[in-house]
Amino acid sequence: AQSVTQLGSHVSVSEGALVLLRCNYSSSVPPYLFWYVQYPNQGLQLLLKYTTGATLVKGINGFEAEFKKSETSFHLTKPSAHMSDAAEYFCAVSPSGSARQLTFGSGTQLTVLP
Amino acid sequence: DTGVSQDPRHKITKRGQNVTFRCDPISEHNRLYWYRQTLGQGPEFLTYFQNEAQLEKSRLLSDRFSAERPKGSFSTLEIQRTEQGDSAMYLCASSSGTGLVEQYFGPGTRLTVT
Repeated sequence: AQSVTQLGSHVSVSEGALVLLRCNYSSSVPPYLFWYVQYPNQGLQLLLKYTTGATLVKGINGFEAEFKKSETSFHLTKPSAHMSDAAEYFCAVSPSGSARQLTFGSGTQLTVLP
Repeated sequence: DTGVSQDPRHKITKRGQNVTFRCDPISEHNRLYWYRQTLGQGPEFLTYFQNEAQLEKSRLLSDRFSAERPKGSFSTLEIQRTEQGDSAMYLCASSSGTGLVEQYFGPGTRLTVT
């Protein structure tokens, strides 16, 4: 069984400030971890993923995330927020080893203030 | 690569009516997934196909829901005797079966049951 907890349903940052979106997971097997972004009335776009290997993964639009097994975390960061980053962000987990169903967190709405 | 497409994008129906949604995956992707997303929540897994075989179904998929992928290409999701609780965004995703684990999402079909 797997689950994902995203701490903070709403996060506000100023333009140019650090973005930190938190994700903790629970998985009975080694997980694959993902961050997706969703703009209003659109589907989900993959930002980055962790499968194996390097625990710091870089994604699109300047985002990165670090897999910390001891903390069961996969927090998403970006050094400098841009207005275009305003969207909803979802962390997701799937069992490793195959392309299986994703279990999503409830999402974090990111607001970027001018 | 034209991406995952879904039709229609919006559907308004009266309670008790049947509705059918279509998903066209990325060509050559042999895995296809359906998710449901309600307001303020992350997507929830409904069902999964590998080629034409339906391999997993969530307990969320009641008897009123049926999904098919007859030729291993496009898929349909039918909801019979719709209820107001069925109002949601229905998302389709596809993935390759060659070891790549990321799922690519379509724009979704927003269903409103009145």
